[in-house]
Order: sequence, then structure tokens, then C-alpha cells
Amino acid sequence: DTGVSQDPRHKITKRGQNVTFRCDPISEHNRLYWYRQTLGQGPEFLTYFQNEAQLEKSRLLSDRFSAERPKGSFSTLEIQRTEQGDSAMYLCASSSTINYEQYFGPGTRLTVT
Amino acid sequence: GESVGLHLPTLSVQEGDNSIINCAYSNSASDYFIWYKQESGKGPQFIIDIRSNMDKRQGQRVTVLLNKTVKHLSLQIAATQPGDSAVYFCAEMMDSSYKLIFGSGTRLLVRP
Repeated sequence: DTGVSQDPRHKITKRGQNVTFRCDPISEHNRLYWYRQTLGQGPEFLTYFQNEAQLEKSRLLSDRFSAERPKGSFSTLEIQRTEQGDSAMYLCASSSTINYEQYFGPGTRLTVT
Repeated sequence: GESVGLHLPTLSVQEGDNSIINCAYSNSASDYFIWYKQESGKGPQFIIDIRSNMDKRQGQRVTVLLNKTVKHLSLQIAATQPGDSAVYFCAEMMDSSYKLIFGSGTRLLVRP
């Protein structure tokens, strides 16, 4: 399978704990995106990388959120001191520089109890 | 602010009929529009896209229409099949930013 993969698929954590998600993009894609989706809503943009550079961050991305893509391949999204409002599906997508089409992974569903 | 919205939250059609899903967008500066299909528990799946310099684009059983005058986007699905049942999102993007702005989605239900 050469699509976008995300790990874990599901995460349940207690409020106040830190969590980290991983995304592996399609291998030849140099752009990588993180989105958050709550039930019944469309995905909301969080941040994106071109290679290892983080080029844009949404105002939704509070100080508790940090994303990295250290070698321009996989990326991690960390949420510190999780809150119940962080419960959502976290989606990763990737694209090439040739076209705009973003391919999404299956997402990581986070539940904060 | 920028937003993409949909007129109908749920659309129910008979198998074999054509489906039309509509979307209104508010950012006249958007350069690129995309329709995604999302099945339960999965990430959005690209269906078809269209640039702002076009008004129609056809794919396999799907057609996207763009009316920039009224800032309206539609997705037409021909001969709707049970496998088309899903939530459909429109999204927009500007060339100056690669972030997609999504609407809230329309659920398509296909009756056998």
C-alpha cells in the first residue's frame, strides 16, 4: 500500500496527558498537511510542511500543539496537556509540488476522557 | 472570514438516479476547488477538482460545475450506486496558500 498512513488509528487518553501521532506520507510527496475533524464537520486545517519546513500554521494550533517533520519524510503531531475539546479525528494528507491534489490518510481518532 | 458551505445536509436518491450536491463558497479569490468523498471511519477521498478558470469538468460518472458569478459549486453523480453513499465535502484553496478550506458536508443516501 503506497497511500498515506497514520498511527495509531485510535487513541484514548486522560485529560492532561500528552499524546503524539505519526503520519507517513506518500513517498514522493514533499508537502504534508495536518487537519482536525470533529463529528459532522469538514476537516479544519492545522498546519503544513514543505519538506522539513513548516510553512503555515492555523490559529487553531494552540501552544499545546506542535508538529515536526525533521527529515522531510514522516511527521509527528504532539498535543500536550490534552483537554476534552481536543477529542477529534486528526487527519494527515500529502501532495506533490506538481499538482494540488491532497491525498488523505485514514486519520487518528483521539478521545480525551 | 473564508468559508465553504453546503445547502443540504442530507440527500436521499434512488439507485440509478442522478445526484446533485451543491456548495456555496464565500472567497472569490479561491483558485482551486475540490470534491471529496468520505466514508465512515475513513479519510476523505479525492473525487474531482476544478480550477477557477474553468466552469465544468467531467470525470467518470462525476461532473463538477463552477459558477463564479454566484460563487456556487456542484457535484453531479450519474447513475448513483449504493457505493456512492457517503458524506461529500467541497473544499477550496488559493494558490498562495496550500490549505484546504472545507464545508460541513452533505450526506448522500442511496435507496435500493
